[in-house]
Amino acid sequence: DVKVTQSSRYLVKRTGEKVFLECVQDMDHENMFWYRQDPGLGLRLIYFSYDVKMKEKGDIPEGYSVSREKKERFSLILESASTNQTSMYLCASSSISGARTGANVLTFGAGSRLTVL
Amino acid sequence: GQQLNQSPQSMFIQEGEDVSMNCTSSSIFNTWLWYKQDPGEGPVLLIALYKAGELTSNGRLTAQFGITRKDSFLNISASIPSDVGIYFCAGRRGAGNNRKLIWGLGTSLAVNP
Repeated sequence: DVKVTQSSRYLVKRTGEKVFLECVQDMDHENMFWYRQDPGLGLRLIYFSYDVKMKEKGDIPEGYSVSREKKERFSLILESASTNQTSMYLCASSSISGARTGANVLTFGAGSRLTVL
Repeated sequence: GQQLNQSPQSMFIQEGEDVSMNCTSSSIFNTWLWYKQDPGEGPVLLIALYKAGELTSNGRLTAQFGITRKDSFLNISASIPSDVGIYFCAGRRGAGNNRKLIWGLGTSLAVNP
């Protein structure tokens, strides 16, 4: 069964701490994404990557950075966590290959719920 | 960022009832996707639609790509308790490897056994 695995399901951090959220996919997908999900706001795109070492800002990149050193791994970094970054973080991946059916469909991980105190 | 208009925002129904939800936009889309998110989990794809007018079923679920390409709906027939969750629509305007999806805010479904 293909998977997107997020290393931490629950994290509690203090304001000012550096936080790493790790995501690994085993589907050889080119594209990877980080979203945050908050009640009433739906899914908001933070950053995405379409190739190793490539990244593009999403809709809410402020306060975040990302790293993609290997095709299968996409990390989200909070350089100095703040309380307004308390949220559910979702990683996803998609493929660019194949016919129209199935291409560009996102597969999500189970999520990482981060609480910043 | 842009969002789709998804309605209703929430629904509370009796087991066995049918459910209908929809998403609309002022822009034309080339792809519509419907996802379900169980509590505490990530969204899982239910149905993908790629052609205007396309009607696709997945078990008790049926989704349609609106003929104007500006809307889509999802129907669930004979609801059961495990249908509980948040349903999201998502659309893509571009072709090829257009990587960004536009999302609805979700429809939260509760089913009373």
